[in-house]
Amino acid sequence: KAGVTQTPRYLIKTRGQQVTLSCSPISGHRSVSWYQQTPGQGLQFLFEYFSETQRNKGNFPGRFSGRQFSNSRSEMNVSTLELGDSALYLCASCPGPNTEAFFGQGTRLTVV
Amino acid sequence: TQLLEQSPQFLSIQEGENLTVYCNSSSVFSSLQWYRQEPGEGPVLLVTVVTGGEVKKLKRLTFQFGDARKDSSLHITAAQPGDTGLYLCAGYHSGSGNTGKLIFGQGTTLQVKP
Repeated sequence: KAGVTQTPRYLIKTRGQQVTLSCSPISGHRSVSWYQQTPGQGLQFLFEYFSETQRNKGNFPGRFSGRQFSNSRSEMNVSTLELGDSALYLCASCPGPNTEAFFGQGTRLTVV
Repeated sequence: TQLLEQSPQFLSIQEGENLTVYCNSSSVFSSLQWYRQEPGEGPVLLVTVVTGGEVKKLKRLTFQFGDARKDSSLHITAAQPGDTGLYLCAGYHSGSGNTGKLIFGQGTTLQVKP
């Protein structure tokens, strides 16, 4: 079974731009969640989707948004990028509610 | 506040030594997971513990979930250089407001020297 696939692996963007990150979950997994990892804050929850519905959202500004498609693939978008948005963005898929989370390799976003 | 305090933050030991990493909280978790992460990669799931008092073994790694489901530990016996990495504990709280939301500890960076 293929694992969680995140694209792209690396991104460099300029302040003020917007970015879209993609995540393909493990086949059959309908829950997809997103996390931001930084050296100072560790891993912080962004949001979780199940069957195209956002069920939970972390404490991030409205510039961070996401969606899930009918095939369970998910995207997250960050608008008006700030330097502090530089981080490793991780996607995880779960077979069911609050079960084992399997992570992708992440997208390293650098904002300059 | 739903926090997971992980200790120690850094650990540098010689090959063959034993070590324990702790993960503590003041609140109850419905389940707790341990991950290992290499630089620039995503966390890799090692184990999930669900029942209070549960002990799981994975080769030289032993995981324990506290009786009250508020704490957990990871013990590595005879550490090897290949064990080097960032170890993370993460848990789910019960309740609708916690759906799909893993709370992570700050991580323990382990370095095992040959």
